[in-house]
Amino acid sequence: AQTVTQSQPEMSVQEAETVTLSCTYDTSESDYYLFWYKQPPSRQMILVIRQEAYKQQNATENRFSVNFQKAAKSFSLKISDSQLGDAAMYFCAYPRGGSEKLVFGKGTKLTVNP
Amino acid sequence: KAGVTQTPRYLIKTRGQQVTLSCSPISGHRSVSWYQQTPGQGLQFLFEYFSETQRNKGNFPGRFSGRQFSNSRSEMNVSTLELGDSALYLCASSPAGGQHNEQFFGPGTRLTVL
Repeated sequence: AQTVTQSQPEMSVQEAETVTLSCTYDTSESDYYLFWYKQPPSRQMILVIRQEAYKQQNATENRFSVNFQKAAKSFSLKISDSQLGDAAMYFCAYPRGGSEKLVFGKGTKLTVNP
Repeated sequence: KAGVTQTPRYLIKTRGQQVTLSCSPISGHRSVSWYQQTPGQGLQFLFEYFSETQRNKGNFPGRFSGRQFSNSRSEMNVSTLELGDSALYLCASSPAGGQHNEQFFGPGTRLTVL
């Protein structure tokens, strides 16, 4: 079965500090994409970052970066210089079977303390 | 461009009733996916429509159905509502389908079944 596991239901970080959210996934495919989505309290889900599995280089978007370990099937999200606006639920997602059908992890609730 | 819009935003129904939710994708997007979000099960894929055809389907009973119109707008219908159908229903659109595409989410419809 193709699954996505986020082992940290909740995390907290001090403002301006760095935090890493973990995600592991299970797939038999060799070429695929992985996504981190953010869902703030307003509930609108937005894409944070995307990683293409065939690319060795880890994706980076401003303060957000990933640590992608293909062999270990690990896809963690690092948030640097955390800001209050980063507080949200973060979901790791994988498109099953190369389709639009996203499989989501259970999510990690991130709290940012001032 | 306007984002994905969903109507209504909130809905209260009673058991046994049926409900129709609407989603208008971003202009030019042809793929529309629906997800159910509950505290217990998390985010689960319902179905995806592309050019008026259902292309992918999740593991939900036949009470859940959907359709897409020629202008890419989509509706989902739930018949014979059950208490367990209470959830946030999210719609997402993407340009042309394919796992590499970012899915843009709407704000969701919060359905409460009494």
